[in-house]
Amino acid sequence: QSVLTQPPSVSGAPGQRVTMSCTGSGSNLGAGNDAHWYQHLPGTAPRLLIYGNTNRPSGVPDRFSGSKSGTSASLAITGLQPEDEADYYCQSYDISMRGYVFGSATKVTVL
Amino acid sequence: EVQLVESGGDLVQPGGSLRLSCIASGFVFSGNAMVWVRQAPGKGLEWVSTMTAVGTTIYADSVKGRFTISRDNSKNTLFLQMNSLRADDSALYYCARTTGTNLRYYFEYWGQGTLVTVSS
Repeated sequence: QSVLTQPPSVSGAPGQRVTMSCTGSGSNLGAGNDAHWYQHLPGTAPRLLIYGNTNRPSGVPDRFSGSKSGTSASLAITGLQPEDEADYYCQSYDISMRGYVFGSATKVTVL
Repeated sequence: EVQLVESGGDLVQPGGSLRLSCIASGFVFSGNAMVWVRQAPGKGLEWVSTMTAVGTTIYADSVKGRFTISRDNSKNTLFLQMNSLRADDSALYYCARTTGTNLRYYFEYWGQGTLVTVSS
């Protein structure tokens, strides 16, 4: 069972906006640790999408945006495109576990 | 361009050992913490171990006492020595370069992974 909880799946038509949540606790997101987000197609290298809750690395389209409040974080994809179909993971640092934790993953389906 | 290339994955029997390698290029290897992350079949991403630039090591509870992370900065290479392997260690193992401070890292660059299968 993952320390960070995400909805198993979200879906939307091309061009729509989808969001996914990442719910943690007082020992990770609630302790002030940042949320980071990755896009992953199984068997390939994960891709960093958002770091430090809201920041996009160079090359990541501005259709991807992140936010964080308290013990939760969110990733939004606006203008959904077929190539956005993938698994998405949040990640943070947990002070109780003294290690890094990933979310349970959200699979995005483009209808 | 940052590149990370893992190797060493193989089919190994339960109780056996394996050493994974990750050769890095395109950045100052000695200046960055590095991590191993794995994905078991049908499962999500799981952090395995981190080694900081100054040599601090941390491990997930699931591998503590069995796995050892190390690095050779002269060869720009990260290692993961895996002993007492179990079936549930079967996974695609990724190395990644971190960014951040005070252990509050995120994983900015990733390799393509190397497959470890533990089975008799």
